Amino acid sequence: GQSLEQPSEVTAVEGAIVQINCTYQTSGFYGLSWYQQHDGGAPTFLSYNGLDGLEETGRFSSFLSRSDSYGYLLLQELQMKDSASYFCAPYHTSGTYKYIFGTGTRLKVLA
Amino acid sequence: DSGVTQTPKHLITATGQRVTLRCSPRSGDLSVYWYQQSLDQGLQFLIQYYNGEERAKGNILERFSAQQFPDLHSELNLSSLELGDSALYFCASSVTTGLGETQYFGPGTRLLVL
Repeated sequence: GQSLEQPSEVTAVEGAIVQINCTYQTSGFYGLSWYQQHDGGAPTFLSYNGLDGLEETGRFSSFLSRSDSYGYLLLQELQMKDSASYFCAPYHTSGTYKYIFGTGTRLKVLA
Repeated sequence: DSGVTQTPKHLITATGQRVTLRCSPRSGDLSVYWYQQSLDQGLQFLIQYYNGEERAKGNILERFSAQQFPDLHSELNLSSLELGDSALYFCASSVTTGLGETQYFGPGTRLLVL
């Protein structure tokens, strides 16, 4: 079967570093994407990991370990505007569809 | 702006009614996905079209149907609406590279069934 787990909520203060973990189980796994969604807005693409290791894009980094079926999103120098929901989305090439989106992690950044 | 457009932005209707949501993908994108997002819920995949053909189905109810037209815009039809159908409906178009697929989401249609 398929499963996806990430924390429902994370709280941190401005300027801090926060890590949002994601564990998944799916057949035909190809890679892991991360999307950000502000309240009332549309999800927007943040990063994609097709290979094991760390991908860095500005203040955001994403990590993947295929052997552990695990990934994380690291947000540094948190800003108030980072308050949003973050979805990890395994991309797989088997089954009835390609992306699995869970319920996401709601990040609250406090002043 | 993702380049994906959706109309209408808001829709209020009554139970039992039928509505049509419209989506235009980014220029050049052949795939269109439809998602439903209820309050405090994740994105539930409904259906995917690729170049006019149905490619994959997710948790789409039989009361719902979709199609993609030759100009690549897509419509999601929701019929016999129930209160529980109230949600945000997103469409997304995608581009596939050697590193996977990136989905670009439209602004969504907020449906309220009264």
